[in-house]
Amino acid sequence: EPEVTQTPSHQVTQMGQEVILRCVPISNHLYFYWYRQILGQKVEFLVSFYNNEISEKSEIFDDQFSVERPDGSNFTLKIRSTKLEDSAMYFCASRGTSGRRGNEQFFGPGTRLTVL
Amino acid sequence: QKEVEQNSGPLSVPEGAIASLNCTYSDRGSQSFFWYRQYSGKSPELIMSIYSNGDKEDGRFTAQLNKASQYVSLLIRDSQPSDSATYLCAVNPWMDSSYKLIFGSGTRLLVRP
Repeated sequence: EPEVTQTPSHQVTQMGQEVILRCVPISNHLYFYWYRQILGQKVEFLVSFYNNEISEKSEIFDDQFSVERPDGSNFTLKIRSTKLEDSAMYFCASRGTSGRRGNEQFFGPGTRLTVL
Repeated sequence: QKEVEQNSGPLSVPEGAIASLNCTYSDRGSQSFFWYRQYSGKSPELIMSIYSNGDKEDGRFTAQLNKASQYVSLLIRDSQPSDSATYLCAVNPWMDSSYKLIFGSGTRLLVRP
């Protein structure tokens, strides 16, 4: 069964440092997403990406955040200058395009980001 | 603001019973609805998707959708201790070209052996 993978599983960083979270979506999927979940809170949408560009971003996704698909398999989320409040689980998700099931999003295992 | 509401629980049921989880949503035009299961410290795992009014069954799980009432539910038959998790309801908003998901806060289910 194909699955979304993410690395690293846990990232600890100092406030103000840059971090890059990596994701490998399911191979034939074309739509990619980042979500985050602060401990004890809802899963929140950050950004969607299709055809090598952002299709939508949330209010959370400010100028400190960026996404990139540097090659045919990886999808990255960069946080330029981390803040304490960026500490959360970050989930990558992908979906295909075929029929109704193309709406289904599959999530990776997540990266736990801890900002000290 | 598009909202998805769930009772946080915990919902406690004995092993073998039917667990009933409920969700309401505010965006009347929403078309796609999903149930995810999330174990503590893990990522959301897709259980069911439903798009049309009525019931959809998959094994021990049944999703029910009532668009007029803006209500979607998940029934788990023959509940097992391994079903103990948080169940997240998620919705695609109407006319949203990105198909992003709006999540509820989840209902925690405890299945007592």
